[in-house]
Amino acid sequence: DSGVTQTPKHLITATGQRVTLRCSPRSGDLSVYWYQQSLDQGLQFLIQYYNGEERAKGNILERFSAQQFPDLHSELNLSSLELGDSALYFCASSPDGAANGYTFGSGTRLTVV
Amino acid sequence: ILNVEQSPQSLHVQEGDSTNFTCSFPSSNFYALHWYRWETAKSPEALFVMTLNGDEKKKGRISATLNTKEGYSYLYIKGSQPEDSATYLCARDGQNFVFGPGTRLSVLP
Repeated sequence: DSGVTQTPKHLITATGQRVTLRCSPRSGDLSVYWYQQSLDQGLQFLIQYYNGEERAKGNILERFSAQQFPDLHSELNLSSLELGDSALYFCASSPDGAANGYTFGSGTRLTVV
Repeated sequence: ILNVEQSPQSLHVQEGDSTNFTCSFPSSNFYALHWYRWETAKSPEALFVMTLNGDEKKKGRISATLNTKEGYSYLYIKGSQPEDSATYLCARDGQNFVFGPGTRLSVLP
């Protein structure tokens, strides 16, 4: 157990639907990063939150959104799902905003059918 | 080994030095070993994906080897340059996809 908890571990849903992925960072970590790992594009940075505020944005689609709550857990919302959104979604946390001492979660495997 | 481990945790080398670091992983239920180069708040750059025992891959000054029987992989950088400074991640793809903690490399000019 890395200390970063992602739920659910697996998710199967239909095209056009909306899902929410959840990440609980390691205790004491203020930063949460979201990544998408797909077969054809490797590991893509989506977005970073630090202490509740958006810190950096990567290749995140407009159909996707995220937030970090006061208790520091984060949710990634994926809407109007397409087949191409099928991927592993990872979150990582770190104590600060510079990815020092970061830890990855075990990921959520999303399958869109 | 139950988890993916990397050593050293951090490394400082002089420009021009060659260096290497290690990724150790559980050898059971192994499918592939990934190496990434990662700069903060950017997408990790995939360096290598290796699946077969004895695999050796090379990309410019960077190369990697894989031993699936004993569960380790080495990443080598020849003639380090300041632009090589980054965190080098390995990840094991098997029953689960598990990242190591990374090795943070700083190359001093």
